Amino acid sequence: EVHLVESGGGLVQPGESLRLSCAASGFTFSSFAMSWVRQAPGKGLEWVSGISAFRLTTNYADSVKGRFTISRDNSNNTLHLQMNSLRDEDTAVYYCAKDVPGPTLWNYFDYWGQGILVTVSS
Amino acid sequence: DIQMTQSPSSLSASVGDRVTITCRASQSIKYYLNWYQQKPGKAPKLLIYAASTLQSAVPSRFSGSGSGTDFTLTINGLQPEDFATYYCQQSYSTQITFGQGTRLEIK
Repeated sequence: EVHLVESGGGLVQPGESLRLSCAASGFTFSSFAMSWVRQAPGKGLEWVSGISAFRLTTNYADSVKGRFTISRDNSNNTLHLQMNSLRDEDTAVYYCAKDVPGPTLWNYFDYWGQGILVTVSS
Repeated sequence: DIQMTQSPSSLSASVGDRVTITCRASQSIKYYLNWYQQKPGKAPKLLIYAASTLQSAVPSRFSGSGSGTDFTLTINGLQPEDFATYYCQQSYSTQITFGQGTRLEIK
């Protein structure tokens, strides 16, 4: 059974950094692209970043480009999101999501973690 | 970025009703359109991918159609567990975008 478990969230002040992790199990982690998707309180879903299966390609939403870095450790089945220069508007629940291989770089997400709350506030 | 616009933003319906939610892309995305259901406090759940393919274990009362810029999600015979928020998502672009969501409420 596929499991995705996020960790590393919490309360930080504007301008600070935070590193999220997502521990994956139940599938061959190294063979699948992964993404981070966030949801601000009471708002809709926003894709944040994706990383291909073999770390060859990464992409970011314009709202986080230059501040966030996605990475993966295929030997430990873990996905990371390094978040620097955090802003109030980065406050959200962050989900990691497993992609399904297909004809495009990113396709659709068949498994999601339970989400982790990041709060940026002074 | 490709903009995804859902309509309506909210919808009231009764158990047993047939409902349709639409999703429009700002440019052609061929058939690279997916639908998710989200309940309060829970992660989204994949319902339909590639515009019309039902994800495994999703009830057949859910269906999707469309291509290019216009897509629909239809639920035939609403069940109590279907009251939730629905999102479309395009995967045509290297930057994924979601629609703003459609909240389906009990009338």
